[in-house]
Amino acid sequence: DAKTTQPNSMESNEEEPVHLPCNHSTISGTDYIHWYRQLPSQGPEYVIHGLTSNVNNRMASLAIAEDRKSSTLILHRATLRDAAVYYCIQNSYSGGGADGLTFGKGTHLIIQP
Amino acid sequence: EPEVTQTPSHQVTQMGQEVILRCVPISNHLYFYWYRQILGQKVEFLVSFYNNEISEKSEIFDDQFSVERPDGSNFTLKIRSTKLEDSAMYFCASRGQSTFFGPGTRLTVL
Repeated sequence: DAKTTQPNSMESNEEEPVHLPCNHSTISGTDYIHWYRQLPSQGPEYVIHGLTSNVNNRMASLAIAEDRKSSTLILHRATLRDAAVYYCIQNSYSGGGADGLTFGKGTHLIIQP
Repeated sequence: EPEVTQTPSHQVTQMGQEVILRCVPISNHLYFYWYRQILGQKVEFLVSFYNNEISEKSEIFDDQFSVERPDGSNFTLKIRSTKLEDSAMYFCASRGQSTFFGPGTRLTVL
């Protein structure tokens, strides 16, 4: 079972920032936080991952709480193309590891024009 | 940008038939995976493959399933005798710094 908890759905307006929360209260010191998203009828797409420090890339930012029990994926300026299911995954290897990723139900992000 | 590719995009088969789903992982990746997603449900891990052998498999990956890397570029998933409940999207993935997924094969078992 997934070790993370996320809201089932969130709604935001186009061109506004979106903050997607995730709780991972059982995280251990070697667990990374990964975020993937799945657009309709597509495979999961890597978004970002981190261990302790906040991370930025061209797609998003990841803010990790100091106690590492929660994190927030930040989309700085949402577009309609960002409408997807967003998965927060806790895993012990930076790239996913040989043991694969455990997906939960994720957060269904709805973007209003 | 390198990507994982999968063929076919859609496979329809009769119950009890064998199917082979094909994947071409990203060329310099060393870990390969198969996942499945039944319509409306979660993405589920099936199997991971490294150094020409299975690293880990889930309880879904029973004796009906097998994986192979036949020629150094392709990575296949074989289902020997398909059941109705095998109908799903099957995603191949490969891992370098991050895990990248293919677009999936939709398997429909009639």
